[in-house]
Amino acid sequence: EVQLLESGGGLVQPGGSLRLSCVASGFTFSSYAMSWVRQAPGKGLEWVAVFSGRVGSPDYAASVKGRFSISRDNSKNTLFLQMDSLRAEDTAVYYCAKDLSRFGVPDNAFDVWGQGTMVTVSS
Amino acid sequence: QSVLTQPPSVSGAPGQRVTISCIGGSSNIGAGYDVHWYQQLPGTAPKLIIEGNSNRPSGVPDRFSGSKSGTSASLAITGLQAEDEAVYHCHSYDRSLSARVFGGGTKVTVL
Repeated sequence: EVQLLESGGGLVQPGGSLRLSCVASGFTFSSYAMSWVRQAPGKGLEWVAVFSGRVGSPDYAASVKGRFSISRDNSKNTLFLQMDSLRAEDTAVYYCAKDLSRFGVPDNAFDVWGQGTMVTVSS
Repeated sequence: QSVLTQPPSVSGAPGQRVTISCIGGSSNIGAGYDVHWYQQLPGTAPKLIIEGNSNRPSGVPDRFSGSKSGTSASLAITGLQAEDEAVYHCHSYDRSLSARVFGGGTKVTVL
């Protein structure tokens, strides 16, 4: 079964840091681009970052560029999101999501989602 | 303010047909990028129900259909059922932002 399992969320003070992990199973992890998508309480979805497959290169939403860093360990089927200089507006459920196809096109759909991990930034 | 514009809510009686619009612009939908749709039930992760503008993944009922024209896309649900009550999100890519973008989400209520 294809599955994504996030962890690492929690309560952090403004200006603090947190590292999220997403462990994948049931597919050839290294062949697919993987993204982080977040959803603030009561709000819509917001794409955060993507790391492409074998020839990896990251890309970020403007709202997190310079503060967040996405990475992956293909040997451990794991995607990461290092979040620094956190702000109250970063409070959200963070999902990892898999691209539908192996073709590294930017308008790929997300066909598999994790259950999400909650990040709360508050003093 | 989302790059893709969706109505906040739509409603319909069981058995009726409802449509949800997703309005973009020349740098996203109008530039030829695909549109995808997700269903999000309360307290759960989004689920892909339409990919590549009009394709249904395996297991998605044929009551759901998608279309795209110009700078907008639509999701239609025919034969509305109580279990269709959820929030629906559209998704595409914007080349000006170099970012994957979503609509604000539309809550479907079954009366």
